[in-house]
Amino acid sequence: GAVVSQHPSRVICKSGTSVKIECRSLDFQATTMFWYRQFPKKSLMLMATSNEGSKATYEQGVEKDKFLINHASLTLSTLTVTSAHPEDSSFYICSASSADNQPQHFGDGTRLSIL
Amino acid sequence: GNSVTQMEGPVTLSEEAFLTINCTYTATGYPSLFWYVQYPGEGLQLLLKATKADDKGSNKGFEATYRKETTSFHLEKGSVQVSDSAVYFCALSGYSSGGYNKLIFGAGTRLAVHP
Repeated sequence: GAVVSQHPSRVICKSGTSVKIECRSLDFQATTMFWYRQFPKKSLMLMATSNEGSKATYEQGVEKDKFLINHASLTLSTLTVTSAHPEDSSFYICSASSADNQPQHFGDGTRLSIL
Repeated sequence: GNSVTQMEGPVTLSEEAFLTINCTYTATGYPSLFWYVQYPGEGLQLLLKATKADDKGSNKGFEATYRKETTSFHLEKGSVQVSDSAVYFCALSGYSSGGYNKLIFGAGTRLAVHP
């Protein structure tokens, strides 16, 4: 149980393109979803937290206009990297939780490469 | 603020050796503590957790004890296998900018086990 699916697993695109990453909870309702960014051989940095039907809450230093998050249903959240540039290349990981005091379950991540 | 410090890797061991990965934390209140494992190219999987002082989390031969007096949560395994090669993250529960329960990760420790 508690499976989180993230898609795509890898994307390569040209600079200036907008890229959408999906995060789905397959067998539970995710009231809260989290988006992380991981640099090579580094830890995970929380970018934002989203609750279903509400605006996402961004961590300090994360550009909300650059990283658009939509949590439209209890099983789906999307992260759109707008007008992506090479410095946005990274490994993005989502997680989902059924309630605020419940464990987070992680997706397998999306490796984004901007040429 | 809350933080997690892990021993730097990589840790290189022979199969069947004893493993210890040190983790210490700084936190206000009484956070829950976690160990996550990340295999190459994948997201994170919860390995074990402890929610209060003196609790011992265990899973797949790994264990860690929540030590409030030393603010530590060291990961141990008596006999490692090649399949244990991965990156291990220590984490504690905290609060995001929006007040949601979030995870604060250590830098990660890479473990390489050789036959």
